[in-house]
Amino acid sequence: GAGVSQSPSNKVTEKGKDVELRCDPISGHTALYWYRQRLGQGLEFLIYFQGNSAPDKSGLPSDRFSAERTGESVSTLTIQRTQQEDSAVYLCASSLARSKNIQYFGAGTRLSVL
Amino acid sequence: AQKVTQAQTEISVVEKEDVTLDCVYETRDTTYYLFWYKQPPSGELVFLIRRNSFDEQNEISGRYSWNFQKSTSSFNFTITASQVVDSAVYFCALSEARNNAGNMLTFGGGTRLMVKP
Repeated sequence: GAGVSQSPSNKVTEKGKDVELRCDPISGHTALYWYRQRLGQGLEFLIYFQGNSAPDKSGLPSDRFSAERTGESVSTLTIQRTQQEDSAVYLCASSLARSKNIQYFGAGTRLSVL
Repeated sequence: AQKVTQAQTEISVVEKEDVTLDCVYETRDTTYYLFWYKQPPSGELVFLIRRNSFDEQNEISGRYSWNFQKSTSSFNFTITASQVVDSAVYFCALSEARNNAGNMLTFGGGTRLMVKP
């Protein structure tokens, strides 16, 4: 596609429910990143994929968070048993390769946990 | 550990004024990359510039210019003759060349720029 696509754009859920956030990277981009942006703050790194592998998961805030990528394309970020503190915008980015290349961002999914 | 500080949380200027957004970074790596991104109200981050740590030459692109000074660990961004369309949140970010997280970006807290007509 022309850019990084994320869905849904907005998600409202009840505390304790599971949510899945989807990211479609730019075609041909091998590296994919997830970031979280709390209201009025900068972005914090969550996880990165090179191909379908995630070499470093230490950025995930808790074991309720998981992510996968298939076909070196679509990635899904799953949050189980959501908490109010999970409310944030979740941004996905992709780049051609992990070394020094520019990361292009999607518009994000705004998650609100009631 | 790497860190990026944007001390100015919010700046308000009148159209046509020049404005400089400050960025100070910390890293133990000798090879790294610095970025500026713009986040308009739509939310999507727009890439503006990338510099590597070996290139301290200042860069100008239209009304935008960047001043990279390794001696003070700063990478400041100046908008000349600001316009209302420049209103956005601007993020400075750092990527170390060698890390386990595929050159993930460490972001500053952002500076909200408001340009009034």
